[in-house]
Amino acid sequence: RKEVEQDPGPFNVPEGATVAFNCTYSNSASQSFFWYRQDCRKEPKLLMSVYSSGNEDGRFTAQLNRASQYISLLIRDSKLSDSATYLCVVNKGGSYIPTFGRGTSLIVHP
Amino acid sequence: DVKVTQSSRYLVKRTGEKVFLECVQDMDHENMFWYRQDPGLGLRLIYFSYDVKMKEKGDIPEGYSVSREKKERFSLILESASTNQTSMYLCASSHRGTIEAFFGQGTRLTVV
Repeated sequence: RKEVEQDPGPFNVPEGATVAFNCTYSNSASQSFFWYRQDCRKEPKLLMSVYSSGNEDGRFTAQLNRASQYISLLIRDSKLSDSATYLCVVNKGGSYIPTFGRGTSLIVHP
Repeated sequence: DVKVTQSSRYLVKRTGEKVFLECVQDMDHENMFWYRQDPGLGLRLIYFSYDVKMKEKGDIPEGYSVSREKKERFSLILESASTNQTSMYLCASSHRGTIEAFFGQGTRLTVV
């Protein structure tokens, strides 16, 4: 089983839609979680951190489910500019090594 | 504004050449990382460093080495470039005790 798994998509949604991505991780010792956004041919950029209590930033909500070992990202009222690849990041076991999922592609169309 | 700078955006090298990819960060970060990113494979860790002069192998270190002589600089070396090392190379850095990493703009390396 891979350390961090994501559905590659693409998720093709109309503007204004709500879309959610999940990311599962295999190591129960992991305790740090983030979502990154990567635009085509650009570097990944931090989107938001993920806490046990959930984290909301405008239209974006990130949540952690430790029991089932997954994190989620919810995007409400999708914009064309949200089109990108979304990468989840988990620390490798008890270390501080960022381990990335392969990313989920989101395409928002008019 | 935090900054991680990679020396080249695009690079074309010949098979067998020794290639140096440089990365400099201005955030006084302890941790530095080198990844390569290939379609369908995501980001894979090549090497990382938690401190000056320190280096650890990542998941795919074969054919690569690294150097960290100063805290702000982390170099990736391809000892003898091969066509299967054609890829996007991404350098990242973070503070000790966190995985919140900041990336350079990437170097797209083509080996011919």
